Amino acid sequence: KAGVTQTPRYLIKTRGQQVTLSCSPISGHRSVSWYQQTPGQGLQFLFEYFSETQRNKGNFPGRFSGRQFSNSRSEMNVSTLELGDSALYLCASSLTSNRYYNEQFFGPGTRLTVL
Amino acid sequence: ELKVEQNPLFLSMQEGKNYTIYCNYSTTSDRLYWYRQDPGKSLESLFVLLSNGAVKQEGRLMASLDTKARLSTLHITAAVHDLSATYFCAVVPAGGTSYGKLTFGQGTILTVHP
Repeated sequence: KAGVTQTPRYLIKTRGQQVTLSCSPISGHRSVSWYQQTPGQGLQFLFEYFSETQRNKGNFPGRFSGRQFSNSRSEMNVSTLELGDSALYLCASSLTSNRYYNEQFFGPGTRLTVL
Repeated sequence: ELKVEQNPLFLSMQEGKNYTIYCNYSTTSDRLYWYRQDPGKSLESLFVLLSNGAVKQEGRLMASLDTKARLSTLHITAAVHDLSATYFCAVVPAGGTSYGKLTFGQGTILTVHP
């Protein structure tokens, strides 16, 4: 069974640009969560989507947005990039909508560098 | 707001020794996860602990959960170099709408020396 895939794996952008990251969950998984990992702040939750609806959102500015498609694939977008957005962005998928079983399986991540 | 704290943050061990990583969290939870991350890699699920008193073991690692004390431990037995990695605990708070949100500890960087 294929795992969670993320594209691209590496990105270099300059300040002010925007970027779109993609995540394909494990087949059959309908929930997709996004996290940002930095050395200073650790792993922080960005948002979660289920059935094309955002159900939960972390404390990030509106420059960070996402969406989910009918096939459960998800994208996140960061507009007006700042140096502090340089991070590893991880996507995770889980099987059910029930929060009581939300073991998450993580993709390999997208390493974003903002210059 | 849920806070998750791990200690120690850095752990240098000799091969063959035992040690424990602690994960404390600040609000009621009955779901706790342990993940491993190798440098430059993603998170690998190690254990899912779903109830008070849960204990799970895999190889040289054993995890336990005490929901009353809001504490989980990850015990390493007879460490080997292959266990060198960063270990994270992650918690889902009980109640409320916590869909898809894991709150992570800071991570414990484990280095095992010969």
